[in-house]
Amino acid sequence: EVQLVESGGGLVQPGGSLRLSCAASGFTFSNYWMQWVRQAPGKGLVWVSRVYSDGSITSYADSVKGRFTISRDNAKNTLYLQMNSLRAEDTAVYYCARETIRAKDYWGQGTLVTVSS
Amino acid sequence: QSALTQPPSASGSPGQSVTISCTGTSSDVGGYNYVSWYQQHPGKAPKLMIYEVSKRPSGVPDRFSGSKSGNTASLTVSGLQAEDEADYYCSSYAGSSNFVFGTGTKVTVL
Repeated sequence: EVQLVESGGGLVQPGGSLRLSCAASGFTFSNYWMQWVRQAPGKGLVWVSRVYSDGSITSYADSVKGRFTISRDNAKNTLYLQMNSLRAEDTAVYYCARETIRAKDYWGQGTLVTVSS
Repeated sequence: QSALTQPPSASGSPGQSVTISCTGTSSDVGGYNYVSWYQQHPGKAPKLMIYEVSKRPSGVPDRFSGSKSGNTASLTVSGLQAEDEADYYCSSYAGSSNFVFGTGTKVTVL
């Protein structure tokens, strides 16, 4: 069974940093592109970032470019999102998702990040 | 990276059909056959319902169908059931390894 479990969310002050993790199991993690998607409270889904199966190719939404870094450790079957210079507008539930044929076929349960003083 | 445009809401009675539109540009929806649709119930993670415009993952009822014409994609839910009441989001590949979601549509079963 495919499972994605996010962790690392919490309360952080504006300008602070946080690293999210997504532990994958039930599939060959190193064979898949992976993505992060976020959803602000009461709002819609927003694509955040994407990483190639070996970590060599990454892409970001304009809103997080230069502040967030996506990475992965295929030996640990884990996806990461390093978030720096956090702003109030980054407050959201962050989901990791597996990508198959340019679609997100499995999602984690999400982890809440709150940026507030 | 502007969001794709969806109607805020749609509704239908049980057994009826509802169609949700998703309008983008030639740089996303119109440029690639990589439109997908997601269903999200309150407090839950999204679920993939349609990929590559019109393909259904295993386990998704055939009441759900997708199509595309030009820069607009559509999701049709036929034979509406109570459990179909949820938020629906389209998403499209937008080139250069980027993606974009739609604004979301709340479907109400009357």
